[in-house]
Amino acid sequence: DAKTTQPPSMDCAEGRAANLPCNHSTISGNEYVYWYRQIHSQGPQYIIHGLKNNETNEMASLIITEDRKSSTLILPHATLRDTAVYYCIENSGYSTLTFGKGTMLLVSP
Amino acid sequence: ETGVTQSPTHLIKTRGQQVTLRCSSQSGHNTVSWYQQALGQGPQFIFQYYREEENGRGNFPPRFSGLQFPNYSSELNVNALELDDSALYLCASRESDRANYGYTFGSGTRLTVV
Repeated sequence: DAKTTQPPSMDCAEGRAANLPCNHSTISGNEYVYWYRQIHSQGPQYIIHGLKNNETNEMASLIITEDRKSSTLILPHATLRDTAVYYCIENSGYSTLTFGKGTMLLVSP
Repeated sequence: ETGVTQSPTHLIKTRGQQVTLRCSSQSGHNTVSWYQQALGQGPQFIFQYYREEENGRGNFPPRFSGLQFPNYSSELNVNALELDDSALYLCASRESDRANYGYTFGSGTRLTVV
């Protein structure tokens, strides 16, 4: 079973920042926080991952709290194409992925 | 070759039949995993192969089996199909020495068992 907790759904207006929270209260010291998303009828897509520090790439930013018990994925300027299910996953990088139900993000015009 | 390609995209089988799903991974991706995704659920891990050997398995019965080939392709075989096997089957691969850079997933095969 997934060890992370995410809200089942969120809404965001197009052009605004989407902030998706995740609780990972039992994360181990060697586990990264990974974020994937799944657009309808496609396979999951890797977005970003981090261990302790905040991370940013061309897709998103990842903020991890100092105690590593929670994180937030930030899509700075959400577009309609960002409508998807977003999964937060704890993973050491060498084990398989355990998906929960994720957060369904709906971006509206 | 880039990306992960799965075939076929859709498939309809009858209960009791056998099915083989195929996946072609990127060159150098020597780790491949298969997942089953039921409607409305997250993907569930079936098994993983590393350099043609199974090195991890989820809570799936032995009628789910697989193969990985030296050319970075792989197969998922399911025998004695049941109605509950209807799902999206996903293949994911990565380079083992770039493990913390995430998996690349295919678009999946939608299997319907009637």
